[in-house]
Amino acid sequence: GQNIDQPTEMTATEGAIVQINCTYQTSGFNGLFWYQQHAGEAPTFLSYNVLDGLEEKGRFSSFLSRSKGYSYLLLKELQMKDSASYLCAVSLNTGKLIFGQGTTLQVKP
Amino acid sequence: DAGITQSPRHKVTETGTPVTLRCHQTENHRYMYWYRQDPGHGLRLIHYSYGVKDTDKGEVSDGYSVSRSKTEDFLLTLESATSSQTSVYFCAISEDRGFNSPLHFGNGTRLTVT
Repeated sequence: GQNIDQPTEMTATEGAIVQINCTYQTSGFNGLFWYQQHAGEAPTFLSYNVLDGLEEKGRFSSFLSRSKGYSYLLLKELQMKDSASYLCAVSLNTGKLIFGQGTTLQVKP
Repeated sequence: DAGITQSPRHKVTETGTPVTLRCHQTENHRYMYWYRQDPGHGLRLIHYSYGVKDTDKGEVSDGYSVSRSKTEDFLLTLESATSSQTSVYFCAISEDRGFNSPLHFGNGTRLTVT
């Protein structure tokens, strides 16, 4: 079957760095998305990785290892507004998209 | 931000009644999707559309139907609402299929079935 695992909750301090992991067991892997979702709001697109390696976008970076079935989202210089849920989603070569349950990040002063 | 409007934003209905949720886009994207989001389950695909009058089932389609008579509108109908359909429903659009392009989500509809 298809499975995606993320930690349910994480806590970090303002100004720090936090890494949110996502592991997946799927067949027909195509790429991996990260979305951010603030409480009561819609998910918004953060990043998409197809090839192995690190993609950097400002304070946010996303890493993918296809051979290990592993990705992480790295958030630097944490701000209070980064408190949100972070959703990992795997796209398959069948066109299917599978979401993980999300990681709720709380940033504390 | 992608122009996606969902209506209503909140609805309370009784078990057994039909309910229709509307999604309207101004981006002229071909692909539209309906998801539900529940604690412990993440986002799950109900139905999607790849063009006017072209729709297909997702992973949790039982009890739901959809229609797309115009590019900009995608309707989700709960034929006879049940308490298990209490959820937050999100509409999404994308430029192309294959899920290689990101989804852009509407603001969601919170539905409560009593």
